Amino acid sequence: GQSLEQPSEVTAVEGAIVQINCTYQTSGFYGLSWYQQHDGGAPTFLSYNGLDGLEETGRFSSFLSRSDSYGYLLLQELQMKDSASYFCAVPDSNYQLIWGAGTKLIIKP
Amino acid sequence: DVKVTQSSRYLVKRTGEKVFLECVQDMDHENMFWYRQDPGLGLRLIYFSYDVKMKEKGDIPEGYSVSREKKERFSLILESASTNQTSMYLCASSLSEPNQPQHFGDGTRLSIL
Repeated sequence: GQSLEQPSEVTAVEGAIVQINCTYQTSGFYGLSWYQQHDGGAPTFLSYNGLDGLEETGRFSSFLSRSDSYGYLLLQELQMKDSASYFCAVPDSNYQLIWGAGTKLIIKP
Repeated sequence: DVKVTQSSRYLVKRTGEKVFLECVQDMDHENMFWYRQDPGLGLRLIYFSYDVKMKEKGDIPEGYSVSREKKERFSLILESASTNQTSMYLCASSLSEPNQPQHFGDGTRLSIL
């Protein structure tokens, strides 16, 4: 079957750097996406990696290694507003997204 | 900016009622999706549609149906609401390529009493 695994919860300190990992098992591979969801809000798109390597967007970066079926989201200079759940997701052969269960990021002052 | 609008933010219905959740997108996206989200379970796909009048079952279609008569509108129908359908319902739309993001509405928190 197809599945994604990510930690259920990560805790970090304001101003620090945190990495959220995602491993996937899929029959085909069409890229890895990351979404952010604040409590009570809707998921919003953060990044997409179709090829190996690091993609940087401001304080957020996303990395992909297709040979390891692994990716991560890196958040730098953490701010309290980054407290949210983060989901990794991969498209299946019909381009529907298969979602991880989400990682709750807790930021302490 | 892409706008996905769900008809209700909060909704309370009774067991056995037929419930309609409406979703409209304004970016001419081919794909539209209905998810439900429950604590600890992430997002689960109920149905999706890749074109007008086309629909495909997702992971948990039982107890639900959908309608897509126009490209911009995708409706989720609970034929006979039950208490285990109390949940957050999220609608999303996207273009058809795998690198294209899904854009979500604000969600409908549905309570079935």
